[in-house]
Amino acid sequence: QVQLVESGGGLVRPGGSLTLSCAASGFTFSDYYMSWIRQAPGKGLEWISYISSRSRTKQYADSVKGRFTISRDNAKNSLYLQMNSLKSEDTGVYFCAREDPTDYFDSWGQGTPVTVSS
Amino acid sequence: DIQMTQSPSTLSASVGDRVTITCRASQSIGSWLAWYQQKPGEAPKLLIYKASSLESGVPSRFSGSGSGAEFTLTISGLQPDDFATYYCHQYNTYSPYPFGQGTKLEIK
Repeated sequence: QVQLVESGGGLVRPGGSLTLSCAASGFTFSDYYMSWIRQAPGKGLEWISYISSRSRTKQYADSVKGRFTISRDNAKNSLYLQMNSLKSEDTGVYFCAREDPTDYFDSWGQGTPVTVSS
Repeated sequence: DIQMTQSPSTLSASVGDRVTITCRASQSIGSWLAWYQQKPGEAPKLLIYKASSLESGVPSRFSGSGSGAEFTLTISGLQPDDFATYYCHQYNTYSPYPFGQGTKLEIK
């Protein structure tokens, strides 16, 4: 079955950097677009970035544009999110999600928490 | 950018009730709408896609309807496991992919 497992979250100081990973299994990873979605404590869901199956297309929410970089390694069945210049408002749980070919999120990881605080 | 507005924000109901959650888009999105259920500490779970298609394994008491800019999620015969937060999500265009603000379904 489809499995997505995020890792790499933790506590980081404002202005710092962190790289999240998402290990995929149970499907042909290279066939699917993938996204990162986050959730601030007690708040709703915010899509932040997607990457096409062969990394040709990447999009970002305005809130992270210029600071976050999405990437993938299809040989390793892995998705990444490089986060730089972190702010307190980046605190939350970060989920990776698989996109159905019509673009809804049909599978989600369990999430990895990121806390940006001094 | 397309905005998604859910109502109500909070809904109190009892086991066995029929409840409806509404999601409105700021412009037409066709039928490109999904609904997700999220329980505390868990990842969201896909319930409905393309406005009314039930995801495999989701109980038939969940149903979705609508097209254009107004959509509903209906749960017929609430079960204890259904008390959670529900989100709508448009995927018609990269807008970029907004979610509704969520509807918390609470036990009355």
